[in-house]
Amino acid sequence: EIVLTQSPVTLSVSPGKRATLSCRASQTVGNNVAWYQQKPGQAPRLVIYNASNRATGVPVRFSGSRAGPEFTLAISSLQSEDFALYYCQQYNNWPFTFGQGTRLEIK
Amino acid sequence: QVRLVESGGGLVKPGGSLRLSCAAPGFSISDYYMTWIRQAPGKGLELVAYISDRGLYTDYADSVKGRFTISRDNAKNSVHLQMDSLRAEDTAIYYCAKSVVGTPGYLDSWGQGTLVSVSS
Repeated sequence: EIVLTQSPVTLSVSPGKRATLSCRASQTVGNNVAWYQQKPGQAPRLVIYNASNRATGVPVRFSGSRAGPEFTLAISSLQSEDFALYYCQQYNNWPFTFGQGTRLEIK
Repeated sequence: QVRLVESGGGLVKPGGSLRLSCAAPGFSISDYYMTWIRQAPGKGLELVAYISDRGLYTDYADSVKGRFTISRDNAKNSVHLQMDSLRAEDTAIYYCAKSVVGTPGYLDSWGQGTLVSVSS
């Protein structure tokens, strides 16, 4: 099973600043990584797929990238609605797995 | 806008069974792989099972293999998860989600979830 390790566990950033979340895969997953945003009491929402493609309706301040086994979700100019839990997911090999999540909180 | 609606959750004793359903009012799911994901209280996400568009292919997490069965009825536009021999560790919110065409891949639409509690 492929393990995804997200860092940091909690990230505190001020509104208007940039946030960078990381996800490292234990084995090669190609570009088959997605990012999801989850707010309290809500279902997750797809943000990024195929490592760097924004999902429909996702603001351009969200971007995804890959460097080898490390995947990054960057959010420029944080808005109040961006503070949430973020999960990465690999869908290269079953069982598809999620990272443990990064909580993005207001500093 | 795809809307997915789960139902069938509830409180069940260990060893019992539940059948979850997922409907997609106003949207045809017949071309899409469908997936069930669960989230234990205060915990992360776990993919439970997926089923291909025509129902020919399924796969399961090891934690539920042999106990859960995913199925679909494209004529009724619904997906189901039959859960048998339930354990306390199956307690979670169960989400139904839609994948893109031709692959279980990433999940671009999710339902609101249904809570399953396994307790004596």
